[in-house]
Amino acid sequence: AQTVTQSQPEMSVQEAETVTLSCTYDTSESDYYLFWYKQPPSRQMILVIRQEAYKQQNATENRFSVNFQKAAKSFSLKISDSQLGDAAMYFCAYRSPPEGSGGSNYKLTFGKGTLLTVNP
Amino acid sequence: DTGVSQDPRHKITKRGQNVTFRCDPISEHNRLYWYRQTLGQGPEFLTYFQNEAQLEKSRLLSDRFSAERPKGSFSTLEIQRTEQGDSAMYLCASSLRQFSGANVLTFGAGSRLTVL
Repeated sequence: AQTVTQSQPEMSVQEAETVTLSCTYDTSESDYYLFWYKQPPSRQMILVIRQEAYKQQNATENRFSVNFQKAAKSFSLKISDSQLGDAAMYFCAYRSPPEGSGGSNYKLTFGKGTLLTVNP
Repeated sequence: DTGVSQDPRHKITKRGQNVTFRCDPISEHNRLYWYRQTLGQGPEFLTYFQNEAQLEKSRLLSDRFSAERPKGSFSTLEIQRTEQGDSAMYLCASSLRQFSGANVLTFGAGSRLTVL
């Protein structure tokens, strides 16, 4: 079974600075998807960024980027120019390959999350 | 379409009572998922539906839990004879089945259950 580990229960960053959240995972599959989700207090979880394991290029979405190290099974999230609205719980998640590749990509496995505080 | 809706947002009940949560997915999504999130933990998979068929149930879903998705639209999650350990946030998500691609889930805001 796949496992996802987020070793930082809490992180803080100054507004406008950069912060990196860590995530490692364990799997025997060669093709999979990785995600970072953001969960603001009392609000729904939203997708921040995703990475396909077969792609070597790191995904980027505006101020959010990832450092995907497949051999090390590491998937960190970098937030640049942090804003007050970035304050939230961040979850790293793993998903198996799609059905077309012989997988069953209906289940996400989440880490325990990292609570990010942004200081003004 | 305003996304995934869940009702109620918060339910307080006494131990032993039954509770039911409702989820309305994004209309064109044919997959619907239930996850449970306890304090300090990430969401854990409970079950999922493809259209009206319940295709997998986690071992976390004891006999006191039942989920339905009649007609492949909204879904209900019922917990019978609630226990204090059932206190959690129950998250619903939906997606469009894809044979390739990331099959991204859209989550609702959750239904928080407090069992006294």
